[in-house]
Amino acid sequence: EIVMTQSPGTLSVSPGERATLSCRTSQSVNSNLAWYQQRPGQAPRLLMYDASTRATGIPARFSGSASGTEFSLTISSLQSEDFAVYYCQQYDNWPRTFGQGTKVEIK
Amino acid sequence: QLQLQESGPGLVKPSETLFLTCTVSTGSISSGSYYWGWIRQAPGKGLEWIGTIYYSVTMYTTYYSPSLKNRITISVDRSKNHLSLRLTSVTAAEEAVYYCARQKAVTATSAFDIWGQGIKVTVSS
Repeated sequence: EIVMTQSPGTLSVSPGERATLSCRTSQSVNSNLAWYQQRPGQAPRLLMYDASTRATGIPARFSGSASGTEFSLTISSLQSEDFAVYYCQQYDNWPRTFGQGTKVEIK
Repeated sequence: QLQLQESGPGLVKPSETLFLTCTVSTGSISSGSYYWGWIRQAPGKGLEWIGTIYYSVTMYTTYYSPSLKNRITISVDRSKNHLSLRLTSVTAAEEAVYYCARQKAVTATSAFDIWGQGIKVTVSS
C-alpha cells in the first residue's frame, strides 16, 4: 500500500497570501495524483488531477507540481472560500490511498 | 452533469450488515465504461477509500480495500441505475459519512471527479 504523507497538518495564512501544501508518496505514483478540497459539511471536490492539471472550473490561482515522490499544491492568493481541508490521493496503484489532509485556516 | 445520491439506513447495529445505494441521475450508469468508488470519512477524520467497481455492459471488476476484503461487496444494478455497497459485520469504528464517486476517465488511473453528497451512517445498538 502506498502511504501518502501531507504536510503541514495545519497552515495558517492571511487572505491574499500564498499557500503551499505538500504531499509525499512512499513510492512512485508517476503523475497519478489528485488534490481535493473539502469545505465543512461538504463532499470533497476535485481540484487537480494528473498532479498538475486543473479540474473543470477550478480557478487559475490553484496550481500543482511534482518532483519524483514529492507533490505540491499552491494557492497563489488565498480567497475566503479557499479556507478548507485539502487531501491528496494517488490513483496509480490499488488500494487507492489518501493523505491525512492539510487544513488551511485564516491567520 | 451526472449527479450521484447516496441512500440507505442512517443507523445500523454493531455486527449487522450495512447496505447503501448510490443512484445515478441525469445520466445512465450504463453509458460508457466507468470506475465507480465508495469512500468514507469517520467523524473528524480523513478520507478512506473502501472500494471501486469497474462497470461496463459486458463485464465488471471490483477492487476492495485489503482491510475490508472479506466483508465488502460492491455491485451495480443497471435496471435501477444505481450501485450498491454491502458491508457485513460492521463495528462502531465504521461509523462515518459514506460517499460514492465516479472516476473522471474510463481508465483505471483517473481521479474521482463526481461525488455524491454523502450519507451519514451511525453504528449503535
